Amino acid sequence: KQEVTQIPAALSVPEGENLVLNCSFTDSAIYNLQWFRQDPGKGLTSLLLIQSSQREQTSGRLNASLDKSSGRSTLYIAASQPGDSATYLCAVGAQKLVFGQGTRLTINP
Amino acid sequence: EAEVAQSPRYKITEKSQAVAFWCDPISGHATLYWYRQILGQGPELLVQFQDESVVDDSQLPKDRFSAERLKGVDSTLKIQPAELGDSAMYLCASSRGHKDSTKAFFGQGTRLTVV
Repeated sequence: KQEVTQIPAALSVPEGENLVLNCSFTDSAIYNLQWFRQDPGKGLTSLLLIQSSQREQTSGRLNASLDKSSGRSTLYIAASQPGDSATYLCAVGAQKLVFGQGTRLTINP
Repeated sequence: EAEVAQSPRYKITEKSQAVAFWCDPISGHATLYWYRQILGQGPELLVQFQDESVVDDSQLPKDRFSAERLKGVDSTLKIQPAELGDSAMYLCASSRGHKDSTKAFFGQGTRLTVV
């Protein structure tokens, strides 16, 4: 059974810092990995999708990497802003997604 | 930009009552999912439809939960009777359903509180 873990559960950093969020999964035979953002009380917004044949994806200040052999993915956020404050979730799977518990990120002005 | 529509956004119901949630996926998306998210946790799949057929309902508590997607478009998730432990966010998502394009789009969710 696939299990997804995100560390840390919460992170608070000052504005402007570069930061890394971590995601690990137990079964390396994944198909896709997605990173989502969730604002309090809202739904999920897809940020990046990495297909199993890819190693990374970039969108603006966000860069996600995938290392299937080690069962890890990282989400790198450059030059963090207060508007980046949210919970970030990673999920693995082809169609059915298995989610981690999320990292609650706070960017302090 | 097309979105997944869910209603209601919030629902408060008493224990043992029936409650229903509605979802309208993005047009053309063959796959529809219902997830449940307990506060502080990641979403967990309840049921997955491919067109009008159920593909996976292994985590759906079938004694009290039911889901349908009669015409392969919109979907309804029902709970009867509701229990206190059902309090959660219920999220609907859709995708094109093709293996090479499985990006999932989520709705804003329905926040259920059972009192």
